[in-house]
Amino acid sequence: SQQGEEDPQALSIQEGENATMNCSYKTSINNLQWYRQNSGRGLVHLILIRSNEREKHSGRLRVTLDTSKKSSSLLITASRAADTASYFCATDAQTGANSKLTFGKGITLSVRP
Amino acid sequence: DAGITQSPRHKVTETGTPVTLRCHQTENHRYMYWYRQDPGHGLRLIHYSYGVKDTDKGEVSDGYSVSRSKTEDFLLTLESATSSQTSVYFCAIRGGGSPLHFGNGTRLTVT
Repeated sequence: SQQGEEDPQALSIQEGENATMNCSYKTSINNLQWYRQNSGRGLVHLILIRSNEREKHSGRLRVTLDTSKKSSSLLITASRAADTASYFCATDAQTGANSKLTFGKGITLSVRP
Repeated sequence: DAGITQSPRHKVTETGTPVTLRCHQTENHRYMYWYRQDPGHGLRLIHYSYGVKDTDKGEVSDGYSVSRSKTEDFLLTLESATSSQTSVYFCAIRGGGSPLHFGNGTRLTVT
């Protein structure tokens, strides 16, 4: 069963607007990661936030983590048509050899030119 | 794509036939994973490996087996394919403490 649940399932915005995607999870985690998938391709890692971190930035990406609410959000600022893709959150609850990511069902983002 | 290749990229097979999918990496990473992706389910872990000949089950392992006889290759076998195993299969690799790097997937259709 999925650990992470993304919200909304689909998002359509105009180029230049900001896109906010949310992820909730159920159990304690070691870290939370966001991935992006373009149509017909494998997932690409975007950003990782550890359980002792509250916010991280990478270029136009900003991710927050609230462990008390078991939730994370991914903000993409000044969106571009090329940001159109599916976005997945993934949680990692263990370390070492047993470390394995559990993915949500994904959010489909459409950015209109 | 981080030195990871999946083969074949597409396969159509009949119910009841055995199928083997191959994942090959050139990164010398310790960890390798097989996921399947289906509409409405996202990615679900089938099996993973944390070293040569060291493998473990994921959440949807029934009907699948894996083998890893050398660091660079991780094979996923469907002993007797069923229509419910029609899916897109992704292999991923990971070095210690790093995020996953995914292959481009194998689209499998079982008729």
